[in-house]
Order: sequence, then structure tokens, then C-alpha cells
Amino acid sequence: KAGVTQTPRYLIKTRGQQVTLSCSPISGHRSVSWYQQTPGQGLQFLFEYFSETQRNKGNFPGRFSGRQFSNSRSEMNVSTLELGDSALYLCASSLGSGSRDEQFFGPGTRLTVL
Amino acid sequence: DQQVKQNSPSLSVQEGRISILNCDYTNSMFDYFLWYKKYPAEGPTFLISISSIKDKNEDGRFTVFLNKSAKHLSLHIVPSQPGDSAVYFCAASARYSGYSTLTFGKGTMLLVSP
Repeated sequence: KAGVTQTPRYLIKTRGQQVTLSCSPISGHRSVSWYQQTPGQGLQFLFEYFSETQRNKGNFPGRFSGRQFSNSRSEMNVSTLELGDSALYLCASSLGSGSRDEQFFGPGTRLTVL
Repeated sequence: DQQVKQNSPSLSVQEGRISILNCDYTNSMFDYFLWYKKYPAEGPTFLISISSIKDKNEDGRFTVFLNKSAKHLSLHIVPSQPGDSAVYFCAASARYSGYSTLTFGKGTMLLVSP
């Protein structure tokens, strides 16, 4: 069974640009969550999508957005990039049944903003 | 406001000895707790979990203890092995978010020396 895949693995952008990251969940998983990992803040929850709908949202500005497609693949977008957006962005997939399903993480996308 | 805290950024232990990683939480709505392990350039992988109705859960060399009154949990690794060297994240979730939102601590880097 293939794991969670994320593309691209590395990305370099400049301030003010926008970026789109992609996540393909494990086959059969309908929930995709996104997390931001920085040295200072650890792993912070961005949002969760289930059946193409945002089900939960973390405390991030509106520059961070996402969507989920009918095949459960998800994308997250960051507009007007800031230096502080440099981080490892992780996505996790799960069945999403609401009964403590295990979340499986992808390897992450390392975003560097110059 | 950090709802899950891991106050030790790092821990060094000799091979064969016990490793004890600690975690505190503040949100009394959390009722499910997890430990994840992360190697560099990989996503976190699930290690062990515990429900708030239990005070202990064991899985091989790994045991998690939960003290609800103190809002404290700990992960014990016995015996520690060099391959256990990684960053360990404590995470918590709650029924109100469908258990699909994980709140993480900042992590503890464990180094097990031969």
C-alpha cells in the first residue's frame, strides 16, 4: 500500500510570491490534514479536509488556504509569502471516521522563502 | 498559548537504559494522546497512544503513562537502543474535533549512545 506522497519535496520562493503544495493520501483515506513545522513553534495544525469540505481549521491567517478534490488529493496554497512562512509543511491522511483513526504523515515539503 | 508542552528539548541516554520523555497539557477537553517519532527528512510516524480512560498502555519496549489529574503523560522506552534516536512528539486530540485535529508539543530530541 503506497504511503502519503507530497510534491514537491523542496521549494524556494521569494517574498510576495504564492505557492501551491500537493498531497496524495493513502488510497481509501478521505481525510487530509495539513501541518506547519518550524523550529520555534513545532508542529502546528493548519486545516483538515474531509470529502472535499474543510472540516477543521487552525489559527493561521487567510493567506493560507486549501482544497480537496473528489479523489481525496489535497492542495494547500500560501499567497503573498513572508519570510516567516519558511517551514516544513506536512500533510497527514486518515480514514476520517471520527473514531481516533491513525494519521499517516507524508515526508513533507520544505519551503524556503527568500 | 501552548496547549501541549514538552519542556525538555533534548535527552541523552545510554544504550540499554530507560528513556523517559515527558509531556504536559492544559486543555481538559483532550481525551486521546499520542506519541510520534520523527527521523530527519521523514514525516512523523505513530508510536503509541492512550485514551483518557486508561492510565497506562504498553507496546513492546514502549509504555505511555497518563496522569489526568496532573495533566501529564510520559513515554518510557526500555531498553533504549541507538535506533531510537529521533525527535519524539507528544500530541493530543479531542472528541469535539472528531479526533482528526492533533495538537502537538514542540518535540524532544532523544539521543541514545552505544
